[in-house]
Amino acid sequence: AQRVTQPEKLLSVFKGAPVELKCNYSYSGSPELFWYVQYSRQRLQLLLRHISRESIKGFTADLNKGETSFHLKKPFAQEEDSAMYYCALCGAGSYQLTFGKGTKLSVIP
Amino acid sequence: NAGVTQTPKFRVLKTGQSMTLLCAQDMNHEYMYWYRQDPGMGLRLIHYSVGEGTTAKGEVPDGYNVSRLKKQNFLLGLESAAPSQTSVYFCASRTVQEPGELFFGEGSRLTVL
Repeated sequence: AQRVTQPEKLLSVFKGAPVELKCNYSYSGSPELFWYVQYSRQRLQLLLRHISRESIKGFTADLNKGETSFHLKKPFAQEEDSAMYYCALCGAGSYQLTFGKGTKLSVIP
Repeated sequence: NAGVTQTPKFRVLKTGQSMTLLCAQDMNHEYMYWYRQDPGMGLRLIHYSVGEGTTAKGEVPDGYNVSRLKKQNFLLGLESAAPSQTSVYFCASRTVQEPGELFFGEGSRLTVL
């Protein structure tokens, strides 16, 4: 079974402060991990994937297999980062993408 | 290129009524999904399809049926709606090659009284 845990329902930070959205997963094999974002009144969309090791909108995420984590980080939060963030996992050969319960990020001006 | 389109966007039903949500995608994607989004529960997979004529159950399939008669369409049906099915429903699609890149619709908000 595959499971994704996002321990924080809501995270509030001040503009310019660092952000870390936590994600832990449970999966017996080698998963693929993703972060999705849903801005207010917009569609859910892919933010980044661990395989590409890219930085999108200043966000990065590193897969730590030892700690089974895939935390999302940004050094300086912006007001436009306020959104709902979902961590997601796809098991090897699986058709399904399993989402965490989401963390609502609120950036205070 | 509209991407993924869901209809209707809003609907209010009475308990016991039936309805169908339509999802259409114009990206020639093989895989399609129906999720429900509830506060504090995140996105939960209801049913999915890996190709025309095939469907499979997800995490929370009870009370729902689906059909994929055409590659571009994925229908979600509620035969006898219950208040517990009040939710926002999202359809998504993806290619075979990109397992994590789902393209989502705008969502359909369903209220069952």
